Amino acid sequence: AQKVTQAQTEISVVEKEDVTLDCVYETRDTTYYLFWYKQPPSGELVFLIRRNSFDEQNEISGRYSWNFQKSTSSFNFTITASQVVDSAVYFCALRINNAGNMLTFGGGTRLMVKP
Amino acid sequence: DVKVTQSSRYLVKRTGEKVFLECVQDMDHENMFWYRQDPGLGLRLIYFSYDVKMKEKGDIPEGYSVSREKKERFSLILESASTNQTSMYLCASSGQLWHGYTFGSGTRLTVV
Repeated sequence: AQKVTQAQTEISVVEKEDVTLDCVYETRDTTYYLFWYKQPPSGELVFLIRRNSFDEQNEISGRYSWNFQKSTSSFNFTITASQVVDSAVYFCALRINNAGNMLTFGGGTRLMVKP
Repeated sequence: DVKVTQSSRYLVKRTGEKVFLECVQDMDHENMFWYRQDPGLGLRLIYFSYDVKMKEKGDIPEGYSVSREKKERFSLILESASTNQTSMYLCASSGQLWHGYTFGSGTRLTVV
């Protein structure tokens, strides 16, 4: 069975601080995809990034960066120089090749960035 | 711009009512999903469908049913609404394995 764990339920930082959101996953499949989603107060989940199991390259997109390490089954997300607009709930998710291609979500991390 | 549209943003219903939550996608996706989101419980899968007229139970199907008569539409039905079904309901659709989900904006349902 698949499992995604986001151990941090809530993080509070002050604007301009860097913050890392942790994600640890479990699966026996060798082919899988990892995702991060952002859910702002408006409610709609917004796709941020996808990573497949064969590509361990880290990725940077502006102030966002992702660190994928198969050795530790982790896919961590770092926001550099956080801003108030980064305040949201962030979900990590795992997808394998099964019926419906379902995503298994972590419990989410609520990030609060204070001015 | 691709979209998943949920018919209502906010809904208030009475206990015992039959409630329909509608979801429509315009991306020709095979897979569609219904989740509910509650504080401290994350996203929990209610039902999903990987083809027209096909449906599968998720983790918490009790008290719910679904209908998928057309590829683009996936309806969630609360047969007899109860107060413990007060929640945020999120619909999503997806194509191939390497795709993520595209989510609707959610329906916040209150059962009084």
